Amino acid sequence: RKEVEQDPGPFNVPEGATVAFNCTYSNSASQSFFWYRQDCRKEPKLLMSVYSSGNEDGRFTAQLNRASQYISLLIRDSKLSDSATYLCVVKDNAGNMLTFGGGTRLMVKP
Amino acid sequence: NAGVTQTPKFQVLKTGQSMTLQCAQDMNHNSMYWYRQDPGMGLRLIYYSASEGTTDKGEVPNGYNVSRLNKREFSLRLESAAPSQTSVYFCASIAAITDTQYFGPGTRLTVL
Repeated sequence: RKEVEQDPGPFNVPEGATVAFNCTYSNSASQSFFWYRQDCRKEPKLLMSVYSSGNEDGRFTAQLNRASQYISLLIRDSKLSDSATYLCVVKDNAGNMLTFGGGTRLMVKP
Repeated sequence: NAGVTQTPKFQVLKTGQSMTLQCAQDMNHNSMYWYRQDPGMGLRLIYYSASEGTTDKGEVPNGYNVSRLNKREFSLRLESAAPSQTSVYFCASIAAITDTQYFGPGTRLTVL
């Protein structure tokens, strides 16, 4: 079983739609959680950190469920510019290593 | 403030050739990383360096060596390139307080 698992998609949604991605992680001792965004042929960039209480940044909402070991990302009012691959990232509590999920591809259509 | 820089951007090698990928960061971060990204595989950690003078193996270290030359620079060397090493290589550093990882633009390597 992979340490961090994501549905690879693609998720094809119309503009204005709400879309949600989930990510599961296997290490119950994981400490920090993030969503990164990666555009085609570009480097990953931090979208948002995920806090235990959940957090929101504009149209984006991230949630953490430690009991079930998953994190989620909700995107409201999707824009064409949201088309990208979204990477779930988990940091363990033992050191400096981050583990990346395989990514979920989102395509927003007009 | 350039962030994380990598050279070269593209490289084509023949099987058995060697090369060094260069990475530098100007954010005074202690920890630096090398990943490879293959289609459908996500990012896999090759090596990382928690601080100047230390290096540790990641998930897929075979066929690679690294050098943490100083706090700014972390290089990745392929001694004898193989077609299985065809990939996109990303260097990254991490901000200790936020755990935010900053990536370089990547090196696209093809081994024929």
